[in-house]
Amino acid sequence: QITLKESGPTLVKPTQTLTLTCTFSGFSVSTSGVGVGWIRQPPGKALEWLALIYWDDDKRYNPSLMSRLTITKDTSKNQVVLTMTNMDPVDTATYYCAHTNPGEVSTAFDYWGQGTLVTVSS
Amino acid sequence: DIQMTQSPSSVSASVGDRVTITCRASQGIASWLAWYQQKPGRAPKLLIYAASTLQSGVPSRFSGSGSGTHFTLTISSLQPEDFATYYCQQANSFPITFGQGTRLEIK
Repeated sequence: QITLKESGPTLVKPTQTLTLTCTFSGFSVSTSGVGVGWIRQPPGKALEWLALIYWDDDKRYNPSLMSRLTITKDTSKNQVVLTMTNMDPVDTATYYCAHTNPGEVSTAFDYWGQGTLVTVSS
Repeated sequence: DIQMTQSPSSVSASVGDRVTITCRASQGIASWLAWYQQKPGRAPKLLIYAASTLQSGVPSRFSGSGSGTHFTLTISSLQPEDFATYYCQQANSFPITFGQGTRLEIK
């Protein structure tokens, strides 16, 4: 079965760079059609899509954050990594990674990690 | 960006009730819409994709309809485990965007 899990720091200081790793099993990010995305959710607020990387290394970013985001994949390790630069307290949120396969679920996210809460504070 | 607007923002209902949540897109998205259920402290769970296709394992009391700019999620007979927050998401174009959520509470 497909599982995903996020890992990374729980606390970062303002202006620092956040690096989050999504480690998954049950699928390969080199399989045609597969994508892994990142979505975040500030406490008590709505979901916000951040970035998505596809099996063919096509990368998509939320334009509002694009200058701060980088998404990469390591097929051999079954990992997708998201970096976000210049962190600010407003970036405090639970960060999720999620699986998609547009050919199967029309770019919906059908499997999600449990999420990791990242707090930005000095 | 395509804006997704859900209504109502919150709704109170009783077990057994029929509930409908609406999602409107700021421009046409064909049938590129998904619905998620989220319970406190948990990740979202995909209920419906392509506007009306039920994700595997999701109870049949959930249904989705609509196309273009107007979509609905209907729960035909509320069960205790259905009280949660529901989000719509458009997948027509990047950036992917979500609605603000609808909180379904017990009356």
